[in-house]
Amino acid sequence: DVKVTQSSRYLVKRTGEKVFLECVQDMDHENMFWYRQDPGLGLRLIYFSYDVKMKEKGDIPEGYSVSREKKERFSLILESASTNQTSMYLCASSPGTGSQPQHFGDGTRLSIL
Amino acid sequence: AQSVTQLGSHVSVSEGALVLLRCNYSSSVPPYLFWYVQYPNQGLQLLLKYTSAATLVKGINGFEAEFKKSETSFHLTKPSAHMSDAAEYFCAVSGQVGFQKLVFGTGTRLLVSP
Repeated sequence: DVKVTQSSRYLVKRTGEKVFLECVQDMDHENMFWYRQDPGLGLRLIYFSYDVKMKEKGDIPEGYSVSREKKERFSLILESASTNQTSMYLCASSPGTGSQPQHFGDGTRLSIL
Repeated sequence: AQSVTQLGSHVSVSEGALVLLRCNYSSSVPPYLFWYVQYPNQGLQLLLKYTSAATLVKGINGFEAEFKKSETSFHLTKPSAHMSDAAEYFCAVSGQVGFQKLVFGTGTRLLVSP
């Protein structure tokens, strides 16, 4: 089975801190994604990557950056955390073609105080 | 561009009753369509997917969905609800050519009463 592992299930940080969320997948997938999930809004794509060192903005990239130095690891960075970034963050990965489903981690519930 | 509309943020059924979760999509290209389920405090798990091989798609846990191009719909059904089906369900769409992002609906929470 594909395993997507997010480093933390729950995280509490303070406004202005630099926050790192880590995601690792073990199936050699080309594509990796970061979403945030908010009640009533569904999943919104923050950033994605289709290859090592490649990154593309999703629908809501403001306030975030990403890093993909190795194929299996995709990091989401909140440069200066703000309270409106309190959310559930989900990482996903998929093989190259569009017909293949994305596999999700269990999520990180991030609270910014 | 693609979009998904899920009708009803909450759906309540009794155990043993038919489950019907509605999904309508908009896509300027032939779509792939997916249903995912999310149990509390977990990530999303794939239920089923439409990739143009067959319009009636069977998934895990007794769920199925029918792709209807004329109605731009991909509704999810299950003949008999179980208590364990209580979860949030997401419909998603992507294009078929090249690298495509998934566009998700806002989700439908299924409540199952005894």
